[in-house]
Amino acid sequence: GAVVSQHPSWVICKSGTSVKIECRSLDFQATTMFWYRQFPKQSLMLMATSNEGSKATYEQGVEKDKFLINHASLTLSTLTVTSAHPEDSSFYICSRGSGLSSYEQYFGPGTRLTVT
Amino acid sequence: QKEVEQNSGPLSVPEGAIASLNCTYSDRVSQSFFWYRQYSGKSPELIMSIYSNGDKEDGRFTAQLNKASQYVSLLIRDSQPSDSATYLCAVKVQGAQKLVFGQGTRLTINP
Repeated sequence: GAVVSQHPSWVICKSGTSVKIECRSLDFQATTMFWYRQFPKQSLMLMATSNEGSKATYEQGVEKDKFLINHASLTLSTLTVTSAHPEDSSFYICSRGSGLSSYEQYFGPGTRLTVT
Repeated sequence: QKEVEQNSGPLSVPEGAIASLNCTYSDRVSQSFFWYRQYSGKSPELIMSIYSNGDKEDGRFTAQLNKASQYVSLLIRDSQPSDSATYLCAVKVQGAQKLVFGQGTRLTINP
């Protein structure tokens, strides 16, 4: 069964508004979770590593003030896209690690964001 | 040079045949490698992980790793139409928990 959930599965918002996406680890207390973005016909691009109880680590080129990440508990990480624009329309996917030294990641079902 | 490279395809294979997917990586010290399958419109799902040189088999899937050549592959035996998907190769970044993904190979199994 699924080990990571995301909500919502899809969202449409107007340009300039903010959208919050939730990612939950269902079976495991995850100190680290990951946020990816995927544009059509492209691969996964890591946006940031979400760390429970501390600041997220953002990848180069990702605006931390635009993509706010909060990892307030061991089972929940949130990504807020602030002042969304049409170019932010994408498939946002979170994942959690396995908690072991295997470094496997398990993905949520993703959230499709459309900004109009 | 990209960190993880895959042929984007599409790769077409007849049903029942062996599908062979290839991936090369640039960081010689990488130790952990993963294959994910992604159906259109869905998120990736883990198929195999491999950490040691040689072959690792799981059902119809076999992952092969050659660290000297910086090459990892995935073989799918007895290919089924349900195997049609994009296959993503991922490599763990040394010294960090994060993965770097290749662009993916789109595989089509023809009945």
